[in-house]
Amino acid sequence: AQTVTQSQPEMSVQEAETVTLSCTYDTSESDYYLFWYKQPPSRQMILVIRQEAYKQQNATENRFSVNFQKAAKSFSLKISDSQLGDAAMYFCAYRPPTYSGAGSYQLTFGKGTKLSVIP
Amino acid sequence: GAGVSQSPSNKVTEKGKDVELRCDPISGHTALYWYRQSLGQGLEFLIYFQGNSAPDKSGLPSDRFSAERTGGSVSTLTIQRTQQEDSAVYLCASSSRRLAGSTDTQYFGPGTRLTVL
Repeated sequence: AQTVTQSQPEMSVQEAETVTLSCTYDTSESDYYLFWYKQPPSRQMILVIRQEAYKQQNATENRFSVNFQKAAKSFSLKISDSQLGDAAMYFCAYRPPTYSGAGSYQLTFGKGTKLSVIP
Repeated sequence: GAGVSQSPSNKVTEKGKDVELRCDPISGHTALYWYRQSLGQGLEFLIYFQGNSAPDKSGLPSDRFSAERTGGSVSTLTIQRTQQEDSAVYLCASSSRRLAGSTDTQYFGPGTRLTVL
C-alpha cells in the first residue's frame, strides 16, 4: 500500500519570507500523481498544485512551486513571499496511475503540516 | 453548480441514531468520492463512484456505513446506529474522469462535521 509522510506537524514563517514543506511517499509504481492541498479553518480543501510523475519539470503556480525528486520519492512544497492568507493545514496526497485498475483512484494523504504565518 | 456542496454543514446526533449526509458534485463530474477526516486517523478514503459502474466500497469501516448515488449526481452517505468513534468531518470530492492518464484532479466540498454524543 502507498504511504505518504509529512514529517513536520507544524511550521511557521515570517510574512513575505519563503517556507518549504516536506513530503515523502512510498510506491512501486513509476507513473502516478502528486498533489498539495490547503485546508484553512473553513475546512474547504483547496488544490494548491499538482505534479505528474512522468514530467521531470517541477510544477509551479504563482508563489507555489514543488521540488519533485522521483528517485528519492520526495515532493516538497515551496511557498514564496508568504502571506497571512497562506496560514492553513497543508496536505500532501498521492494518486495511483489510471491503469492500476478499478477503485484505485482514491487519494492517499499525509497527516498534514500546520503552517502559521507571522505578521 | 460552481463547486461541490455538502449538507448539512454540521450535524449533532445521539449515539445509536442514523444520519444521512448529502453531497452534490460539480456538474458534469462523473466520479465522486467520500473521505473521512478524524483527529486520530487523518484523511481516509471511504467510497468511490464512477458513472454507472459498481462503487468501490473498500474503505467503508463497517457495515453500518453505506452510500448511494442517484442519477449519477447527488450522493448520500448513511451511517446507521452511530457510535462516538464516527465523530469526524466527512468530505466529498468529485472529478471529471474522461481520459486515461488524465490527472483526474479531485475537488472537495466544505465537509460535514458530525458529532455523536
